[in-house]
Amino acid sequence: GQQLNQSPQSMFIQEGEDVSMNCTSSSIFNTWLWYKQDPGEGPVLLIALYKAGELTSNGRLTAQFGITRKDSFLNISASIPSDVGIYFCAGQLGYGGATNKLIFGTGTLLAVQP
Amino acid sequence: SAVISQKPSRDICQRGTSLTIQCQVDSQVTMMFWYRQQPGQSLTLIATANQGSEATYESGFVIDKFPISRPNLTFSTLTVSNMSPEDSSIYLCSVWSFNTQYFGPGTRLTVL
Repeated sequence: GQQLNQSPQSMFIQEGEDVSMNCTSSSIFNTWLWYKQDPGEGPVLLIALYKAGELTSNGRLTAQFGITRKDSFLNISASIPSDVGIYFCAGQLGYGGATNKLIFGTGTLLAVQP
Repeated sequence: SAVISQKPSRDICQRGTSLTIQCQVDSQVTMMFWYRQQPGQSLTLIATANQGSEATYESGFVIDKFPISRPNLTFSTLTVSNMSPEDSSIYLCSVWSFNTQYFGPGTRLTVL
């Protein structure tokens, strides 16, 4: 099925460093969601974005909805060991609601060295 | 938000057998979704389950292989039929609530 291009594929960083990852698409999306998945668990929602240009924070996490509607990025500041996991972006073609499918990114594996 | 539980959390099955996965949500929802996540991969939508009607399957997934039930607004089951090792994956239930999509903890299936 269709997937979004997410980069980088993996990151290995030192504790305390900042992290940046992004997601791009050839299609316009009207909703962007960022999830984190721990090993053996389901994805947990981190941040939801509903408006082009929107910049939203959740603690040390900040995400932005690109102006072109074709991209989004997620930043993590001052990383800690529990940030380890796989981060997925997901875009929705429609204007929210269950009738419009989510398209998922390929994922970014984050490893944090204490 | 929505709280989603799944049973079983994991299972190891023999090829040729079938496994039914249960999904329970703490609120009534119109649509429930079933996803598959193969090892090291992203999430792929299998089907959308509506209460009172047949499930809608995505390209590459068929009802005979993945029959779905949706008896009420808080519950659904997904059966993985006639399993082969290629069916080894995490199967995830998901719902929309307040304009956001939430996921269950997943069922990790290993087929020998």
